[in-house]
Amino acid sequence: AQTVTQSQPEMSVQEAETVTLSCTYDTSENNYYLFWYKQPPSRQMILVIRQEAYKQQNATENRFSVNFQKAAKSFSLKISDSQLGDTAMYFCAFMKYNAGNNRKLIWGLGTSLAVNP
Amino acid sequence: ETGVTQSPTHLIKTRGQQVTLRCSSQSGHNTVSWYQQALGQGPQFIFQYYREEENGRGNFPPRFSGLQFPNYSSELNVNALELDDSALYLCASSFQGVQETQYFGPGTRLLVL
Repeated sequence: AQTVTQSQPEMSVQEAETVTLSCTYDTSENNYYLFWYKQPPSRQMILVIRQEAYKQQNATENRFSVNFQKAAKSFSLKISDSQLGDTAMYFCAFMKYNAGNNRKLIWGLGTSLAVNP
Repeated sequence: ETGVTQSPTHLIKTRGQQVTLRCSSQSGHNTVSWYQQALGQGPQFIFQYYREEENGRGNFPPRFSGLQFPNYSSELNVNALELDDSALYLCASSFQGVQETQYFGPGTRLLVL
């Protein structure tokens, strides 16, 4: 069974600085997807970034980038130039590739990020 | 492009009652997934619907059931509500077969008293 671990329950960063959130996962699959979602106090789960395991290049979306280490089963999220609006709960999630009737997201427990002015 | 919508936003029920939550998928999507998120936890997969059929189920009892309609919208029904069913219920839509990214609605907060 797949598991996702986020070892940092809470983090804080000063506005305009850079922060890295950690995520490790366990799977015997070779092909899969990894995601970072953010959940602000409004509760809506918002996609931040997505990575396909077969791609060696790390995904980047504006100020958000990942460090995907497939052999180490590590998938960290780097937020550059942090903004107050980045304050949220951040979840790392895993999905098997071509999973038939098992296309479910498996989630970590989340990291609460506070961006301070 | 219309995003995922859910109704109602909040709901209060008493133990033993039944509840129906609704979800409209994002335009162009054919798959709906439901998740339960207890306070302070990550979401847990309840089930997924594709082409009006259940297409995978998590570790939830049969009193959790669902439907998907021809327009790809979906309902989650919970019978015989228990106090532990109090949670945020999230609906996500996706397009199965091409890109598996799930996009979420705003959720329904259910409180069972």
